[in-house]
Amino acid sequence: GQQLNQSPQSMFIQEGEDVSMNCTSSSIFNTWLWYKQDPGEGPVLLIALYKAGELTSNGRLTAQFGITRKDSFLNISASIPSDVGIYFCAGGHNRDDKIIFGKGTRLHILP
Amino acid sequence: EAGVAQSPRYKIIEKRQSVAFWCNPISGHATLYWYQQILGQGPKLLIQFQNNGVVDDSQLPKDRFSAERLKGVDSTLKIQPAKLEDSAVYLCASSLAGGGSTAFFGQGTRLTVV
Repeated sequence: GQQLNQSPQSMFIQEGEDVSMNCTSSSIFNTWLWYKQDPGEGPVLLIALYKAGELTSNGRLTAQFGITRKDSFLNISASIPSDVGIYFCAGGHNRDDKIIFGKGTRLHILP
Repeated sequence: EAGVAQSPRYKIIEKRQSVAFWCNPISGHATLYWYQQILGQGPKLLIQFQNNGVVDDSQLPKDRFSAERLKGVDSTLKIQPAKLEDSAVYLCASSLAGGGSTAFFGQGTRLTVV
C-alpha cells in the first residue's frame, strides 16, 4: 500500500529555534495535510495544501506542496513550548477522498 | 460549529470480550473515517464511508471488526472478540465529500485490552 515517509522521526530543539520537517511519498497526492497531535487528543488540522507548488502560512507555520506532488514540508518559526507534540503529514486523493498518514515527527523543546 | 464527537473516551476490556465505539461527524460531512492509532504510530485507516456506503475497508480485520453507518450520519465500530493487539486509540474523522477534502478528527477512544 501507499506509504508516507516523515523525517526526522524526532527533534530536540531550543525554544526560539526554527523547525523544519518533511514528508515524501512514492505516489502522487492531490492534497497534502499537516496535523498536530497532543497527548490524549485527536490530530488537529494545521494547514491544508491543494495545489502543487502552493505555499501556505498559518501564523508561525508555513507548509509547501511539492512541485512533483510527492512531497511536502512544514516549517515552524521561533518555536515556543506549546509547539511540543507530534506532527503528522497526510496525503489525500481527490478521486476517493482517501487520506493516508505518515508516522509522525515528535518535537521536543529543551528548557 | 460542533466538532466530531466520539464516545466513550476510554474503555478497558478483557480479551475475547466485545466493545463498541460511537462517532457523530460534523454536520453535513458525507465522508466518515475510522482510524486505528497504535502507540507511537500514525493513524491507520480501517474503514471509510461516503454517506452510508463503504468506500474502503481493505485494512479492516473483518473477522473481528465491523462498522456501520446506517443513516449516513453517525457510525459505530465494533470489535468482537477483542485481542490484546487491539489496544489502541480509535479515531473517527469526517470530511466534506467531493475531492480535495480535509479530515477533522474527534478526540478518540482509548481502548485497553487486558
